[in-house]
Amino acid sequence: QKEVEQNSGPLSVPEGAIASLNCTYSDRGSQSFFWYRQYSGKSPELIMFIYSNGDKEDGRFTAQLNKASQYVSLLIRDSQPSDSATYLCAVTPPGTYKYIFGTGTRLKVLA
Amino acid sequence: DVKVTQSSRYLVKRTGEKVFLECVQDMDHENMFWYRQDPGLGLRLIYFSYDVKMKEKGDIPEGYSVSREKKERFSLILESASTNQTSMYLCASSSSTGQAFFGQGTRLTVV
Repeated sequence: QKEVEQNSGPLSVPEGAIASLNCTYSDRGSQSFFWYRQYSGKSPELIMFIYSNGDKEDGRFTAQLNKASQYVSLLIRDSQPSDSATYLCAVTPPGTYKYIFGTGTRLKVLA
Repeated sequence: DVKVTQSSRYLVKRTGEKVFLECVQDMDHENMFWYRQDPGLGLRLIYFSYDVKMKEKGDIPEGYSVSREKKERFSLILESASTNQTSMYLCASSSSTGQAFFGQGTRLTVV
């Protein structure tokens, strides 16, 4: 089992819809969770982080964390074509500073 | 804004050459990381450092070494470049409390 799993996609949504991206992780003690956006040929850019169970909202983005289910998600409201990118989930295992990344979900927002 | 700067965007090296990839951050971050990114494999951790002169192996350290003589600079060294080290190399830095920020990436081709 991979440490951080994401569906590779592509996930296609129409412009204006809600895009829902999911990530599961294997280490129950993981403490910090991050979402990065990566455009083709560019480096990852941090868009959200969450440390506690529940929801965290920032503009059109909402991160949701459920530690009991070992599940973290990212919702993008009012999706725009400029949101088309690969979204990477990252997790910090307990007792370490390193980040474990999923392989990413490719999102396509159709105009 | 956090700035993480990698010395080159593109590099072409010959098999057997010793290759140096340099990374500098300007936010006084304790932690620095080197990842490589390959299609279908995601981001894989090569080495990370949590303090000057300190380093820890990541998941794929074979064929690589690192140097951290100053807090702001973290170098990745390919001792004898091979074609299977052709990849995108990404440097990142983070404070002990938070999020990782990436440099622009170096696309290395070994011929």
